[in-house]
Formats: sequence, structure tokens, C-alpha cells
Amino acid sequence: EAGVTQSPTHLIKTRGHHATLRCSPISGHTSVYWYQQALGLGLQFLLWYDEGEERNRGNFPPRFSGRQFPNYSSELNVNALELEDSALYLCASSLQGYSNQPQHFGDGTRLSIL
Amino acid sequence: DAKTTQPPSMDCAEGRAANLPCNHSTISGNEYVYWYRQIHSQGPQYIIHGLKNNETNEMASLIITEDRKSSTLILPHATLRDTAVYYCIVRVGGHSNDYKLSFGAGTTVTVRA
Repeated sequence: EAGVTQSPTHLIKTRGHHATLRCSPISGHTSVYWYQQALGLGLQFLLWYDEGEERNRGNFPPRFSGRQFPNYSSELNVNALELEDSALYLCASSLQGYSNQPQHFGDGTRLSIL
Repeated sequence: DAKTTQPPSMDCAEGRAANLPCNHSTISGNEYVYWYRQIHSQGPQYIIHGLKNNETNEMASLIITEDRKSSTLILPHATLRDTAVYYCIVRVGGHSNDYKLSFGAGTTVTVRA
């Protein structure tokens, strides 16, 4: 069974520009979560999508947004990139959001802002 | 979600059992205990979770005290590849909009040959 896959692995962008990160969940999983892990900091929750709807978001500005497609894959969009957006962005998926099912993570996209 | 407390680091000898403690004294009745680990430059890996009964899978065992205020993750035969940061997380399991995982600092486990 394929795990959570994220693309690209690495992304280098210029300050003020836009970045799109993609995530494919484990087959059969309908919930997708996004987290940010900045260097030396813990994982910070960004967004949760379930059945195509945004269910919850963390304490991040509106320039962080995303969506979930009918096939349950998801993308994270970051507008007006700032230097402090440099981080590892992790996607996780789980069977049905409203349950105790564990989240399974991909290996992330490392975003570097120049 | 309830806050958890873990020791910042611990060493373990290869081939021996590693016992990782976690305190979660404010845990609520509908909150589960989850364990993850993260090896450098990789995404967190799910290990095991439980509500109140002890759980075992191919990776580890989870022992939860009867009052649910603490738990222990047991890696039965630690190998060098088990060197990682281990996170104990408490999260609601019922119907809620709050399914995010709140990662603390975790325990850095170093397995030595």
C-alpha cells in the first residue's frame, strides 16, 4: 500500500511569490491535514480537510490556503511568501476525520524562500 | 487537548527494551494517547495509540495506567534504527472539529551499540 506522497520534495521560491504544494493521501483516506515544521520548532497545525471541506485551520494568516479535490488529494497554497515561511510542510491523511483513526504522514516538502 | 510531559532525552542499549514515559494528568475521558516518532528529515511515523487498554502491535507496546494519567511506550528490542524523537500526543477521538495533533518537544531517544 502506497503511503502519503507529497510533491515536490524541495521547492525554492522568491519572497513575495506564490507556492503550491501537493499531497496524495493513502488510498481510502478521506481526511487530509497540513502541518508546518520550521527549523528548530515543533509541528504546527495548518489545515484540515475532510470530504472536500475545510474543517479546521490553525493560527496562520489567510495567505495560507488550500483545497481538497474529489479524489481526496489536496494542495496547499502560500501567497506573498515571506522569509519565515521557510520550513518543512507535512501532509497527513487518515480514514474518516471524525474518529480515533491515526494520521499517517508523508515525508514533506521543504520550502526555501530566498 | 490535554498537555503531555515527556523527558527530553534518553539513551538505550541496542537489543534492550526501551521504556518511554509520558504524563498526561489532565486527559479527558474521550481522549486517546498516540505515539509518533520522527527520524531526521522524515515525516512523523505513527507507532501506536490507545484509549485505556494496553495495546501491542508489530512495532511497540503501549501501557496506560488505570487512572489514564500516564503511559509508557515500550520498544521491546531497540535497534540503531529506532534512534529518533518520540512524541506522546493526546487527542480527542469522538466527534469534534479539533482533530489536529499537537506535537510537543518529545523525547530524543538515542540507541547505542
